[in-house]
Amino acid sequence: AQSVTQPDIHITVSEGASLELRCNYSYGATPYLFWYVQSPGQGLQLLLKYFSGDTLVQGIKGFEAEFKRSQSSFNLRKPSVHWSDAAEYFCAVGVDSGGGADGLTFGKGTHLIIQP
Amino acid sequence: EPEVTQTPSHQVTQMGQEVILRCVPISNHLYFYWYRQILGQKVEFLVSFYNNEISEKSEIFDDQFSVERPDGSNFTLKIRSTKLEDSAMYFCASSSSRANYGYTFGSGTRLTVV
Repeated sequence: AQSVTQPDIHITVSEGASLELRCNYSYGATPYLFWYVQSPGQGLQLLLKYFSGDTLVQGIKGFEAEFKRSQSSFNLRKPSVHWSDAAEYFCAVGVDSGGGADGLTFGKGTHLIIQP
Repeated sequence: EPEVTQTPSHQVTQMGQEVILRCVPISNHLYFYWYRQILGQKVEFLVSFYNNEISEKSEIFDDQFSVERPDGSNFTLKIRSTKLEDSAMYFCASSSSRANYGYTFGSGTRLTVV
């Protein structure tokens, strides 16, 4: 079965600084990879996803992520964070078993704090 | 932009009571899902639903849980006899296609079992 590890529970970044959130996955083949953001009291919003092709994926709100097969990683980056980026970030993995509608496996999340 | 709507946003129920969480998926979507998130923990897959039947379910989705699409618009999750450990945020999601996981999540229903 697939699994997702987000090694950082909390990250604090100064406003305007760059950001990298780490995500590692475990799966025998190339999975579908996702980053979601959850603001307090809100649902999950998709930031970006990777299925195949170019390993650098652009998402919404200025985020990007890079798939590195050799490291089984899909780290999320942003060159300059804004106070509004403070939220919980979840990495998720999906697989295509060829059967029905398969569910996603989520990491435990990284809580991003923005310092003024 | 189309939304997945969940009601209520917060529900409090007594242990042992039945509860129904309601979701209105995006109208042209065909795949429907329930996930839950216990406070402070990760989001966990419960069940997926397609063509009026369960496609996949996790170990969490035991006999206490059931899902239904009673009409053309609603998608419900029923918990027959709630336990304290069922307290969580429950998210509904819908997708037009399984293949690309074009999920849209709702804002969630916070269920508190007392």
